[in-house]
Amino acid sequence: DGGITQSPKYLFRKEGQNVTLSCEQNLNHDAMYWYRQDPGQGLRLIYYSQIVNDFQKGDIAEGYSVSREKKESFPLTVTSAQKNPTAFYLCASSMPGNTIYFGEGSWLTVV
Amino acid sequence: ELKVEQNPLFLSMQEGKNYTIYCNYSTTSDRLYWYRQDPGKSLESLFVLLSNGAVKQEGRLMASLDTKARLSTLHITAAVHDLSATYFCAVAVYGGATNKLIFGTGTLLAVQP
Repeated sequence: DGGITQSPKYLFRKEGQNVTLSCEQNLNHDAMYWYRQDPGQGLRLIYYSQIVNDFQKGDIAEGYSVSREKKESFPLTVTSAQKNPTAFYLCASSMPGNTIYFGEGSWLTVV
Repeated sequence: ELKVEQNPLFLSMQEGKNYTIYCNYSTTSDRLYWYRQDPGKSLESLFVLLSNGAVKQEGRLMASLDTKARLSTLHITAAVHDLSATYFCAVAVYGGATNKLIFGTGTLLAVQP
């Protein structure tokens, strides 16, 4: 089935640790996105990528990094520089100008 | 800076009643999306509105777009409990090759039996 797969669904991070969230899509979409959602709030854009080997910062990129080495993959690393990483992370993809579809999300908690 | 505002933020309504959620945005855009989110789940695409005056309907939900007023509405007709969820509008922003969505704060809809 076509779709967007995020893993892991739940992740615990210790203080000072980097963690990576995986996002894979088999929809052949050019564009991919990472959003963060805090409880009871809307979505904020972290990073987005229109094509392979290129990506742009969104509104809250500090403390995060991404790569886009393959069209189908857009992993997000939450670094130790992100002081408040506990949130729900959503990966999305689209063809430019078309509907953006979301993965099932990953819950990250700092312990 | 583009701002997208929804109101109300919380809506409690009885089954069978009608209501409207409003989405105002602060810059020019010709593409607006509505999404639904159930608790702890991802976002489900409901509507994509592509031009001024666009109206789309699916079941008890109807969305419209007025690009001149920078306003979109999501109208709920004869609400049922299954419609309880958080609804987000999102405005598309374009700049050269870029294409991203800016989301509103969401409206939490609770339909009471």
